[in-house]
Amino acid sequence: KQEVTQIPAALSVPEGENLVLNCSFTDSAIYNLQWFRQDPGKGLTSLLLIQSSQREQTSGRLNASLDKSSGRSTLYIAASQPGDSATYLCAVPLTGANNLFFGTGTRLTVIP
Amino acid sequence: GAVVSQHPSWVICKSGTSVKIECRSLDFQATTMFWYRQFPKQSLMLMATSNEGSKATYEQGVEKDKFLINHASLTLSTLTVTSAHPEDSSFYICSARGTSARTDTQYFGPGTRLTVL
Repeated sequence: KQEVTQIPAALSVPEGENLVLNCSFTDSAIYNLQWFRQDPGKGLTSLLLIQSSQREQTSGRLNASLDKSSGRSTLYIAASQPGDSATYLCAVPLTGANNLFFGTGTRLTVIP
Repeated sequence: GAVVSQHPSWVICKSGTSVKIECRSLDFQATTMFWYRQFPKQSLMLMATSNEGSKATYEQGVEKDKFLINHASLTLSTLTVTSAHPEDSSFYICSARGTSARTDTQYFGPGTRLTVL
């Protein structure tokens, strides 16, 4: 069974700092890996999707990397802003499976 | 981009009543819809997968007679929580995967917060 872990569980940084969120998974037979953002009481917003054949994806101030062999992904946020405050979730589908296995999330607070 | 809506966004009901939550794909046809549940401070957990025109597939531990799922059309799936109890209070999120979309892309709805008194 796939297990997805995110470290740290919570992170508080001053505005402007660069930061890294970590995601690890136990089964490397993944189809891809997705990073989501969830605001309190809201649904999910997809941020980045990395195919299993890719090493990284970039969107604006966000950069996600994937190392399948070690079962790890990182989400790098540059020049953090208060509006980045949210819970960040990573999720992976197993090859041939329908559903996504979600990590436990990292709650980010960016202090103005 | 693909948009998925949910209705209602929040609902409060008395214990023992049934609640129906709708999930709609607004600008694409969704052959597969997924229902997730999220308890406070926990991650999302898949409850069931529904394919249009067929019975839903439930994850282990999810009671199919309690959480009725209907996916009668390519743009609508409903989740009915029957005889709701306070322990069913949770955040329910649906996602949809389209016919023409890449098989790895799920589009998520905004969620429905259910509170059972």
